[in-house]
Formats: sequence, structure tokens, C-alpha cells
Amino acid sequence: EDQVTQSPEALRLQEGESSSLNCSYTVSGLRGLFWYRQDPGKGPEFLFTLYSAGEEKEKERLKATLTKKESLLHITAPKPEDSATYLCAVQNSGYALNFGKGTSLLVTP
Amino acid sequence: DAEITQSPRHKITETGRQVTLACHQTWNHNNMFWYRQDLGHGLRLIHYSYGVQDTNKGEVSDGYSVSRSNTEDLPLTLESAASSQTSVYFCASSGSSFQETQYFGPGTRLLVL
Repeated sequence: EDQVTQSPEALRLQEGESSSLNCSYTVSGLRGLFWYRQDPGKGPEFLFTLYSAGEEKEKERLKATLTKKESLLHITAPKPEDSATYLCAVQNSGYALNFGKGTSLLVTP
Repeated sequence: DAEITQSPRHKITETGRQVTLACHQTWNHNNMFWYRQDLGHGLRLIHYSYGVQDTNKGEVSDGYSVSRSNTEDLPLTLESAASSQTSVYFCASSGSSFQETQYFGPGTRLLVL
């Protein structure tokens, strides 16, 4: 059975304090690993798709990497506006996504 | 711009009533999905469709049904609402190729009393 585990559940950072969020997965035949950002009261907003081990993608202060067992979302010098819940999801044999429970990030000034 | 919309955004209903949540997308996507989001569980798949007249059950489909009569819409029906179905419901859509991005709607917050 596919499993997606995100850690930590919650993370509090000072503005400018870099850190990484972890997404560990077990899935047969990974087609893609997706990262989303979700603000309170809103739907998930797409960030990245990673397809194969060794791949990296960047967007502003965010950088996502993928290995055969996990994906890291590194946030460099975060700002308060980066506060959100970050969701990781995997896609294997079908089109649907299997989500982790998310990491709630709070960045304080 | 293409978008995906959900209505209503908030709904309060009583146990035993039938409820239908609407989802409409203008991406012309073949794939559409319904998820529910609850504290401690993350997003869980309810039903999905890969095209008109196609529907499939997801992980938590008991008590829910969908029908797909056109490309743009996938309404979700709660046949007889239960308090356990109090949740936030998200609709999503994607193109027909694997690895294509799923775009999510703004969600419907449902309270069953």
C-alpha cells in the first residue's frame, strides 16, 4: 500500500532562518511526486512536480529535490508570506494523487 | 483564464438529507477528482472520473456518488448526509497525460448537524 509521510507536522521559523520539509514515500512505480502549498480556507496551489530520483526544481525561495525514498522542500531565507501548509503527494498507477498530511509552516518576523 | 469553481462554498445541512456539491472546470480536462480534507487525515480521494460517463470509486467512497454527463462538471452527491461527512471538500482536474498537474478548486465547507 502506498504511503506518504511528511515531517515535521508543524515548523516555526524566524524570518531568514532556512530549513527543509521532508516527504518520505513508499510507492510501487512512482510516476511523479507533487508539492502543493495551501493557505487557510483555500484550495491547494501547485508548486512542483518531480519525476525521477536526482531531479531538482526551484521557485523563488523554494527548492525541491527527489531521491528514491524521499523528497525535500528546502526554504531559503523564508519570509512571513511563506507561512502556509505544504502538501506532498505521489502518483503511481492512476491519475489520482495520494497525499501526506502536510507540514504547517509559520514564519515569524 | 481557465479555472475550477465549486459551489456552494459553505453548506449546513441535517443528518439524512441529500446534498449535492457542484464542481465546474473550464480547463477542458478529461480527469476530475473529488477529495475530502479532515484534520489528521490530509486529503483523501472520494471519487474520480477520466471522462464523460466514466466514474470510479476512491479510498473513501461510501455514502457518496458522482455522475459525469459532460466534460466540465462533476457533481458530488451525499445520498443521506451523516455527521461523519462534515468536512472540507475539494474538486480537482487534470489533463489526460500522467504527471500532468492537478488544479484544485477553492473548496466547499460542509457541516452536517
